[in-house]
Amino acid sequence: ETGVTQTPRHLVMGMTNKKSLKCEQHLGHNAMYWYKQSAKKPLELMFVYNFKEQTENNSVPSRFSPECPNSSHLFLHLHTLQPEDSALYLCASSPGQGAGYEQYFGPGTRLTVT
Amino acid sequence: QKEVEQDPGPLSVPEGAIVSLNCTYSNSAFQYFMWYRQYSRKGPELLMYTYSSGNKEDGRFTAQVDKSSKYISLFIRDSQPSDSATYLCAMMDTNAGKSTFGDGTTLTVKP
Repeated sequence: ETGVTQTPRHLVMGMTNKKSLKCEQHLGHNAMYWYKQSAKKPLELMFVYNFKEQTENNSVPSRFSPECPNSSHLFLHLHTLQPEDSALYLCASSPGQGAGYEQYFGPGTRLTVT
Repeated sequence: QKEVEQDPGPLSVPEGAIVSLNCTYSNSAFQYFMWYRQYSRKGPELLMYTYSSGNKEDGRFTAQVDKSSKYISLFIRDSQPSDSATYLCAMMDTNAGKSTFGDGTTLTVKP
């Protein structure tokens, strides 16, 4: 797969589990994003990294912990999640952060918290 | 009140119809306007973006922005079954550098 890849594509976890979502972009971009997409709700921006530095944390609960070791990789570490955290988690990248930079999305990880 | 309101769906039209998808917004700081298409089990893909009032055309798609009314539209001419997807409007505040999305409108084009 080219562009933006995400693994796993589907994840079922209990509320006491710890898991991680992975995103990788093959586009040479400098900015990476995590979004949450729930049914009947708009895309919610969670985190933004630009040149590996976190530039945006949209009041996300601490049970979600992002990590950006380099401009090509982005992780979302999950622990002690709640059932309402079940959603599609989308990763995106763009050449830079800000207006005029097109965001390219991955296919998402469908997360179910039981 | 949400910053971006998108016409709710779902929308079902026959093949060949003209489709109009609409969003309104309240934040005057929004300067960039985008339309994304999202197929089932896929991430959104950017269809069109514009930063000025007026029309922008790309094939069968036309994006229209009216900043004075805080209203944007996406028109699809000669709609095809392959256009069946969820369409998301998004707007960017250039100062904040982040996009705000509408809820999405699901379109089905029936052959």
